[in-house]
Amino acid sequence: DTEVTQTPKHLVMGMTNKKSLKCEQHMGHRAMYWYKQKAKKPPELMFVYSYEKLSINESVPSRFSPECPNSSLLNLHLHALQPEDSALYLCASSLYGLNSPLHFGNGTRLTVT
Amino acid sequence: KQEVTQIPAALSVPEGENLVLNCSFTDSAIYNLQWFRQDPGKGLTSLLLIQSSQREQTSGRLNASLDKSSGRSTLYIAASQPGDSATYLCAADQAGTALIFGKGTTLSVSS
Repeated sequence: DTEVTQTPKHLVMGMTNKKSLKCEQHMGHRAMYWYKQKAKKPPELMFVYSYEKLSINESVPSRFSPECPNSSLLNLHLHALQPEDSALYLCASSLYGLNSPLHFGNGTRLTVT
Repeated sequence: KQEVTQIPAALSVPEGENLVLNCSFTDSAIYNLQWFRQDPGKGLTSLLLIQSSQREQTSGRLNASLDKSSGRSTLYIAASQPGDSATYLCAADQAGTALIFGKGTTLSVSS
């Protein structure tokens, strides 16, 4: 079992919908990450939060909006997505940053219709 | 910009064999290098983290080495088992800010 919990496991949404992905960890980690993974491809970094502040945005389109309400919770708000945004969205956390191992959740499988 | 390459892309071996997975990276100014395992449709499991000052790390049947100067890392798996079948991903950091992943090596161990 992973110590990083992502909900929902699967999500199907239309291009006009608004939905949110949720990620939670209770390991006291202060860095949290969103990655996007397409089939047969490696994970690609989207956002990094460090001590609840956004530290990296890898030029992600504004239809993806991250939020870190507290040190244990990370959300990804989705709006007006395109079919090509369909992918596995992975959340990860680490103790302080990249000097400690990343712990990944099992991901949310997103399908945009 | 950091680029990570993994060879081979796929590998099939019979149970019991020792094997080596290769990873190379272009920017040697890394803080650390990490190896992960990913099962189909699942998230990633951290296997080993090697700090830039270290040469190798071991965990059970796994041994990872790091040669910063040549931009290479290897993951050695001893006495492979069918349960080792998965995709193995290598990741190097970019200026200590983000992990950049290779495309992975898909390993199949037959019984």
